[in-house]
Amino acid sequence: EVQLVESGGGLVQPGGSLRLSCAASGFTFINYWMSWVRQAPGKGLEWVANINQVGSEEYYVDSVKGRFTISRDNAKNSLWLQMNSLRGEDTAVYYCARDRILGATTFQDYWGQGTLVTVSS
Amino acid sequence: SSELTQDPAVSVALGQTVRITCQGDSLRSYYASWYQQKPGQAPVLVIYGKNNRPSGIPDRFSGSSSGNTASLTITGSQAEDAADYYCNSRDSSGNHWVFGGGTKLTVL
Repeated sequence: EVQLVESGGGLVQPGGSLRLSCAASGFTFINYWMSWVRQAPGKGLEWVANINQVGSEEYYVDSVKGRFTISRDNAKNSLWLQMNSLRGEDTAVYYCARDRILGATTFQDYWGQGTLVTVSS
Repeated sequence: SSELTQDPAVSVALGQTVRITCQGDSLRSYYASWYQQKPGQAPVLVIYGKNNRPSGIPDRFSGSSSGNTASLTITGSQAEDAADYYCNSRDSSGNHWVFGGGTKLTVL
């Protein structure tokens, strides 16, 4: 059974840092791109970042570029999101998700339950 | 454009058919995928590709696409289908993902 379990969320002051983790199991982690997607309270889904199978390609939404870093350790079946210079607008539930990119067919087939990040003084 | 546009809210009578649409330039290059999200829960994939359902998704859910518009159709809506529905695809650059703003489905 595929499982994605996020951790590391919490309350942080503006300008602070936080590192989110996603533990993957039930599939061959190295075979898949992985994404972080967030959802601000009462708002829609927003893709944040993704990383390829070996960590050599990373992409970010413009609003987090230069502040957030996605990374992975295939030996540990783990995905991370290092978040620096946090702002109030980064307050959200953060989900990790498994990407499927098959030509013109693209989707996220498994999602974790999410971890809440609150940026507030 | 890298945006996907959805109607904010749609309603349907119990047992009737409803179509939820998603518009965007990237849909000329990529199929949309569709996600159902209920309050306090993670999104669940319901449709991907041309018209594919993951295991466990009822066959009343179907997808279609024409030009820059993708559609999710629920045939014979059930009370449990009340939820927020999001479309997504790769953006026109092919490197980023983009989500629609979501459609809140009410089943009357």
